Amino acid sequence: GAGVSQSPSNKVTEKGKDVELRCDPISGHTALYWYRQSLGQGLEFLIYFQGNSAPDKSGLPSDRFSAERTGGSVSTLTIQRTQQEDSAVYLCASSLDQGINEQFFGPGTRLTVL
Amino acid sequence: SQQGEEDPQALSIQEGENATMNCSYKTSINNLQWYRQNSGRGLVHLILIRSNEREKHSGRLRVTLDTSKKSSSLLITASRAADTASYFCGKYGNKLVFGAGTILRVKS
Repeated sequence: GAGVSQSPSNKVTEKGKDVELRCDPISGHTALYWYRQSLGQGLEFLIYFQGNSAPDKSGLPSDRFSAERTGGSVSTLTIQRTQQEDSAVYLCASSLDQGINEQFFGPGTRLTVL
Repeated sequence: SQQGEEDPQALSIQEGENATMNCSYKTSINNLQWYRQNSGRGLVHLILIRSNEREKHSGRLRVTLDTSKKSSSLLITASRAADTASYFCGKYGNKLVFGAGTILRVKS
């Protein structure tokens, strides 16, 4: 694809359920970020993958959140036992290398926890 | 927590006026990047300015960086209704982090 894609675009789930959000970065991009944006708020850094290095997980808000990146390409963000405060838009971005270059953002996944 | 702040939080101007948004940061950076987010859409990259640069231009956009004050400004000249959006600055030190952004409304 030409850009970063994310799926699903919208996800409604019940409190306590687990959800998986997917990000397909631009081919060849070694850096991949996940951010969370609550309604009308800024972007909250969650996790950052760079090549084969250990990911920077310093932004994950709790141990219910985890992410992996398989084969240096597709990434999945998993939220276990979802809570209402997890409701937000989850944005994925990729770049050629770290943050030295511009980030390309996906359209986001809007998560609603009922 | 996010590194630094953007101000103002919201800005409302008339079409044709200039809009200035500011961004501050706390620790050293490699570069600073400005992005725009239109309602309901993803973020789009506008300008990247490196720590050894002081000013960059792109069309009606001008970005300045003052590393001694740890601040940057984005100037949009001759604003248009289509410039209505949220603007975010991303600070890259060892990872890219953003502030709360500035909501710009351009009235026609």
